[in-house]
This record gives sequence, structure tokens and C-alpha cells, in this order.
Amino acid sequence: GPKVLQIPSHQIIDMGQMVTLNCDPVSNHLYFYWYKQILGQQMEFLVNFYNGKVMEKSKLFKDQFSVERPDGSYFTLKIQPTALEDSAVYFCASSLNSWDKEVFFGKGTRLTVV
Amino acid sequence: EQQVQQSPASLVLQEAENAELQCSFSIFTNQVQWFYQRPGGRLVSLLYNPSGTKQSGRLTSTTVIKERRSSLHISSSQITDSGTYLCAMERNYAQGLTFGLGTRVSVFP
Repeated sequence: GPKVLQIPSHQIIDMGQMVTLNCDPVSNHLYFYWYKQILGQQMEFLVNFYNGKVMEKSKLFKDQFSVERPDGSYFTLKIQPTALEDSAVYFCASSLNSWDKEVFFGKGTRLTVV
Repeated sequence: EQQVQQSPASLVLQEAENAELQCSFSIFTNQVQWFYQRPGGRLVSLLYNPSGTKQSGRLTSTTVIKERRSSLHISSSQITDSGTYLCAMERNYAQGLTFGLGTRVSVFP
């Protein structure tokens, strides 16, 4: 199926530093998402992005989190500053439009905050 | 409250057996999607099935919206089917998917 690419696959970072996770969504998709999965736990929705704006965010999307997609470039999740509890696998996803809602996921970026 | 309930939590199969995985929702939804995830791996979309019956290869999903449930049938299981199967729904327009805890499937020769 359609591929969502995530870079890097694994990132280790010191607590308090900034990290940017990169995602290359499916090329013609309009809706972009970030999800968080702590090891052994449930996949949880963070944020939904469309037309250059955050459409919806969950309570997990803390003030330290931000998302953007500058023209034609990666869809990014930035965490500044990072905290130990931010350690998780972050999955990027995309879907085509508001009536074809099938969601496709990337392989995830494993973030370890030390 | 768990909005998406999956059963069973785990399932052990002998190769070639069939399996039925269940998913129920605490609210009405118009988007249901089944995924497959290997440990540490990405989610692979298996079937997007907001209503009715949909088939893809050995997989068949049936969603009954008014009963707030969906099922995934795996026929003639193979060892490579081992992994976690996740059911997800969308709560409202523009919101993300809400996932269940998954059914861990293990297929042995």
C-alpha cells in the first residue's frame, strides 16, 4: 500500500533538549497525523493537521509539542523541551481526504529521552 | 473507559485454522479500520471497513454500525500471520483514530 516515511527510525536525546521528528506523508494525501505508543501500551492519537493548521489535538499533545509542514517539505513533530515521559514510538500517518479516510502509517520513530 | 474493546486478548492457532477477532465500540462511529502490527513495527492497514462486509485475500471484515461492532475473520492462517491485530474507529469528524488494545495472534506449525 501507500508508504509513509519517517526519519530517523531511532533517536536518543538528553532530557531538556529539542527534538524534531520528520515524516514524509503519502504524496497526494491531505490529512496528517501523529500518534504515540509507549512500549507495550495502546496507540494514542496526538494531533491531526490539515491545510496548514492543527485540526484537533488530544490532551497528550502538550504545550511543548508543535507540528508544521512548510511548503512541500516534511511534516514535523517538534518537542521542546523533551521530558523523560516523552520516550515512546511516534507514528506519523496520513489519509487522502475527508471522504476517503483510510489511514496509512509510517514505521515510527523510537524516541528515547535520557 | 475503553472506547474500543477487542476480544480475545490473545489467540493461539495451528497453521491452517481459521480465526475470528471481535471489536466493539462504546459510541457510534462511521470509520472502522483494521491494522496489523509486528512488535516494534509499523501499522499495516488491513481493511478499511466503515460498514458492511469487505474482503482482502484471506481476510474478511464485517462491520454492523447499528450494533457498534466489527469483526475480522482470518481464514487458513499462516505462521506469518502472527502479530497483533488492532481495531480502530474515528470518534468524530477530524479527530484521530481511537485504538483498541489489540488481539495478539500466534500461529504455530
